[in-house]
Amino acid sequence: ETGVTQSPTHLIKTRGQQVTLRCSSQSGHNTVSWYQQALGQGPQFIFQYYREEENGRGNFPPRFSGLQFPNYSSELNVNALELDDSALYLCASSLATTGEQYFGPGTRLTVT
Amino acid sequence: GNSVTQMEGPVTLSEEAFLTINCTYTATGYPSLFWYVQYPGEGLQLLLKATKADDKGSNKGFEATYRKETTSFHLEKGSVQVSDSAVYFCALSFTGGGNKLTFGTGTQLKVEL
Repeated sequence: ETGVTQSPTHLIKTRGQQVTLRCSSQSGHNTVSWYQQALGQGPQFIFQYYREEENGRGNFPPRFSGLQFPNYSSELNVNALELDDSALYLCASSLATTGEQYFGPGTRLTVT
Repeated sequence: GNSVTQMEGPVTLSEEAFLTINCTYTATGYPSLFWYVQYPGEGLQLLLKATKADDKGSNKGFEATYRKETTSFHLEKGSVQVSDSAVYFCALSFTGGGNKLTFGTGTQLKVEL
């Protein structure tokens, strides 16, 4: 059984640019949640996708957007990058919205 | 809103010492409670959980008891090992809220020989 995978592992972008992060959910999981973990902080919930629809959103601006595909993989897009967007972005998949969340290794984004 | 407060780290212990990491929460209603562990350079792994008051979660020698009266979920281990060195996160969620997790800021544990 393949676990949750994320790509890329590391990414460096310039302020104002746009970035797309990718997540492949664990086999059979139809729900994907995204979290932002700033250095030295706990992860903060960005949003969740269930069967290709957004199912809840945290306190993040609209320039954070997402997609979920028919195979339940997901993308996180961030437009107009700001220095404070530098963080570890974690994806977690679960079986339905009530299931235990399994986390991927994360994508480390650095904005300069 | 919901929140989780953890004791600040780093916590430095000698191998075989007793570990306690304090966690308290603020929430409307009765959430499920979790402890996650993050090893260097890795994502989060679920360590243990409890879904209702007085439940005790346990795994790999770690345990925590859901205390409704004190809104706490302290993590304990009787004898830590060097391999336990990691960052530990306390978290809560509500099933009706899509199970989104609200995390504390994390406590770094360093275990020395």
